[in-house]
Amino acid sequence: QSVLTQPPSVSGAPGQRVTISCTGSSSNIGAAYDVHWYKQLPGTPPKLLIYGNRNRPSGVPDRFSGSKSGTSASLAITGLQPEDEADYYCQSYDSSLRSWVFGGGTKLTVL
Amino acid sequence: QVQLQESGPGLEKSSETLSLTCTVSGASMSSFYWNWIRQPPGKGLEWIGYINYSGSSNFKPSLKSRATITLDPSKNQFSLRLTSMTAADTAVYYCATEAIAVAGMVEYWGQGTLVTVSS
Repeated sequence: QSVLTQPPSVSGAPGQRVTISCTGSSSNIGAAYDVHWYKQLPGTPPKLLIYGNRNRPSGVPDRFSGSKSGTSASLAITGLQPEDEADYYCQSYDSSLRSWVFGGGTKLTVL
Repeated sequence: QVQLQESGPGLEKSSETLSLTCTVSGASMSSFYWNWIRQPPGKGLEWIGYINYSGSSNFKPSLKSRATITLDPSKNQFSLRLTSMTAADTAVYYCATEAIAVAGMVEYWGQGTLVTVSS
């Protein structure tokens, strides 16, 4: 099991809004460590989507937003588009493990 | 534009040592922390470790006894060495940059290289 828990899959129709949760604990997200999010298409490296909990790198559409509260973080995608279909990963630091840790990943299907 | 490219053998035998090199272009080696991250086929991402420009490194504790990362600024390269390979080490290995100002933020990734460990 991953230290950060994500739902294995989510789905939504084009134009809809979906959220992906990332649940941690007091030794990672709850300890105020930043959460970053990545999008990965099959056969390609991950791409940075959100950094520092809620910041978008240049070029990432504002349809993508991140938030954090307590021991959890969330990625929201509005106006779902077919090209959003991918795997999404959250990342944070865990002080007990003394390691950067990733969530297990969530496969987003656009219906 | 920052670009990273992994190179190394795609097939290793069990118990042997993996050596991978990442060649960097478009960035100074002092601009980032330099990371290795791997992804077993069909599975999630696993952080291996990083090295900074001063040569300080840090590793995932479970891999620390087997992993070494070195930096060669003269060649704009950094390398991973992983000893005592087993089938569990079969994965796509990525080299990647970590922003110094935003801890953990991995902005640039190599394309990845698949390493298969056979018995």
